[in-house]
Amino acid sequence: DAGVIQSPRHEVTEMGQEVTLRCKPISGHNSLFWYRQTMMRGLELLIYFNNNVPIDDSGMPEDRFSAKMPNASFSTLKIQPSEPRDSAVYFCASSFGGLGGGIAKNIQYFGAGTRLSVL
Amino acid sequence: ELKVEQNPLFLSMQEGKNYTIYCNYSTTSDRLYWYRQDPGKSLESLFVLLSNGAVKQEGRLMASLDTKARLSTLHITAAVHDLSATYFCAVVSTRRGGADGLTFGKGTHLIIQP
Repeated sequence: DAGVIQSPRHEVTEMGQEVTLRCKPISGHNSLFWYRQTMMRGLELLIYFNNNVPIDDSGMPEDRFSAKMPNASFSTLKIQPSEPRDSAVYFCASSFGGLGGGIAKNIQYFGAGTRLSVL
Repeated sequence: ELKVEQNPLFLSMQEGKNYTIYCNYSTTSDRLYWYRQDPGKSLESLFVLLSNGAVKQEGRLMASLDTKARLSTLHITAAVHDLSATYFCAVVSTRRGGADGLTFGKGTHLIIQP
């Protein structure tokens, strides 16, 4: 398996522009997570989905942030409008939960991340 | 609100030495994860600890969990340079719909010098 795939790897944009980050989870996984990593705040959970349904978006910082998962193999995180304080590395992770799965159940596998710079 | 505290946050040690990283968390949780992150890279799962007294070992790394004390440790034995990385512990903060939302510690930045 190719693992969790994120695109783009790097994004540089200007304040006020719309930014869309993309994620393809591991095939067969039914949960997907979006995290943000900064030096000041560390790793923060933004939102997660189970079976394509948003379960908990309490970590989404503002209404400028939105996330969708239209099907089991694709998710997007959108920031509109972007601000310099949104500059961070955004990680997507996926896991398998529910019946079965053994010890590997619920372990989250992370993508390579998208480094976002908002100027 | 769940708090996860790691210490130390920075650690420089010599090859061949032993050391322990500590992870304290503020509320009960039935599982704890350890991850490794190399500079500029993604996070790699190391261990998942599921019960009180659980101990897992992989090479020079050994992780343990004491749910009563809300404490996990990551012990490094006879450190080698390749273990230089940032190590994170993570605790389940929410569980809904069969998925675990995690709260991560700040990470321990480990440098192992020859």
